[in-house]
Amino acid sequence: DVKVTQSSRYLVKRTGEKVFLECVQDMDHENMFWYRQDPGLGLRLIYFSYDVKMKEKGDIPEGYSVSREKKERFSLILESASTNQTSMYLCASSLWDVGAESTDTQYFGPGTRLTVL
Amino acid sequence: LAKTTQPISMDSYEGQEVNITCSHNNIATNDYITWYQQFPSQGPRFIIQGYKTKVTNEVASLFIPADRKSSTLSLPRVSLSDTAVYYCLVDSNTNAGKSTFGDGTTLTVKP
Repeated sequence: DVKVTQSSRYLVKRTGEKVFLECVQDMDHENMFWYRQDPGLGLRLIYFSYDVKMKEKGDIPEGYSVSREKKERFSLILESASTNQTSMYLCASSLWDVGAESTDTQYFGPGTRLTVL
Repeated sequence: LAKTTQPISMDSYEGQEVNITCSHNNIATNDYITWYQQFPSQGPRFIIQGYKTKVTNEVASLFIPADRKSSTLSLPRVSLSDTAVYYCLVDSNTNAGKSTFGDGTTLTVKP
């Protein structure tokens, strides 16, 4: 079974702090994703990466950055946390089979509930 | 990316069949339709995927009409543990798996 783990289930930080959220997957997947989930807004894509050191902005990248130095690890960074970044953060990974016709299943981690005071 | 529209919420009772319909009028030729399920305090998990007609697995069935502008997820004989949010996604592999999740449908199964 694919396993996606996130460094923390719950995190409380103060406004202005630098925050690192870590995600690790064990299935050698090329693609990794960071989403945030807020009530009434569903899942929104922040960033994704399709290879080591590669990244692309999602729908809401402002206030976030990412790092992918190793294939299995994808980090989300809040340079200066703000209260409006209080949310549930979900990491996912998927295999990118370029030759396949169908889209690849995304496997999600358990999520990190971040509270910024 | 094709936008999807789903009902915000649905209620059902244990033992009933539940059908959740998703509209995707702008679906492209290469797009597949995928459904995910999310329980509280967990990440979404894959349920089923299809391109046309009908797909069935051990969890659900997916019905897709010929014009592919909508799809229906069918859950046979639901139980309380099927209470969750169900997301319909439309995407193609050319988008490198960058799918767009909508708001989903919150299904509540009552005893």
